[in-house]
Amino acid sequence: GAVVSQHPSRVICKSGTSVKIECRSLDFQATTMFWYRQFPKKSLMLMATSNEGSKATYEQGVEKDKFLINHASLTLSTLTVTSAHPEDSSFYICSARGTRGRFDEQFFGPGTRLTVL
Amino acid sequence: GQQLNQSPQSMFIQEGEDVSMNCTSSSIFNTWLWYKQDPGEGPVLLIALYKAGELTSNGRLTAQFGITRKDSFLNISASIPSDVGIYFCAGPPTSGTYKYIFGTGTRLKVLA
Repeated sequence: GAVVSQHPSRVICKSGTSVKIECRSLDFQATTMFWYRQFPKKSLMLMATSNEGSKATYEQGVEKDKFLINHASLTLSTLTVTSAHPEDSSFYICSARGTRGRFDEQFFGPGTRLTVL
Repeated sequence: GQQLNQSPQSMFIQEGEDVSMNCTSSSIFNTWLWYKQDPGEGPVLLIALYKAGELTSNGRLTAQFGITRKDSFLNISASIPSDVGIYFCAGPPTSGTYKYIFGTGTRLKVLA
């Protein structure tokens, strides 16, 4: 199947700093990438959808100035959590759809655990 | 907004037992997906369903796309310890969108 990677897998940062998380499609071109957030023992909540070369579309209630998403190439999307605070601590998961599988099929990354102290 | 409700929320079963879980929606879905998530990992696709009434198997797993298009079921036969994890249903909430919404999840624990 198609492979999606995330880096880093875990990150701990101090409150007020910014953190960048990368999502890469390793063996296909990702026309669209999605970012999800998951709190402990909860479901995945879609944060935003990004299409290569255009601005991300954010779900209702997600602060676009807090969670900056860039999808500058067909294999890379980044999520930057700006001025992170403890309440931003969560598990962030990306997925990608594109030139693999069905047209609507998403392939998920392994997730990034963010802890803000 | 649209929600996918899963039941049961959690379950403990003995190894070797069969497991059934379901997912319901207040609105129609054209695709139903079942994922398993292990702790600290991303979700992994188990079964995808694309037609009402469709019954699809993947090894010990069988899933069905409900006739009403508002529900789906996942069965696991002869459970083993590695079946432990969280099972999510998911699907695109509206036609023509590639977005998924995820269900509330069913946490499965298997007792050896």
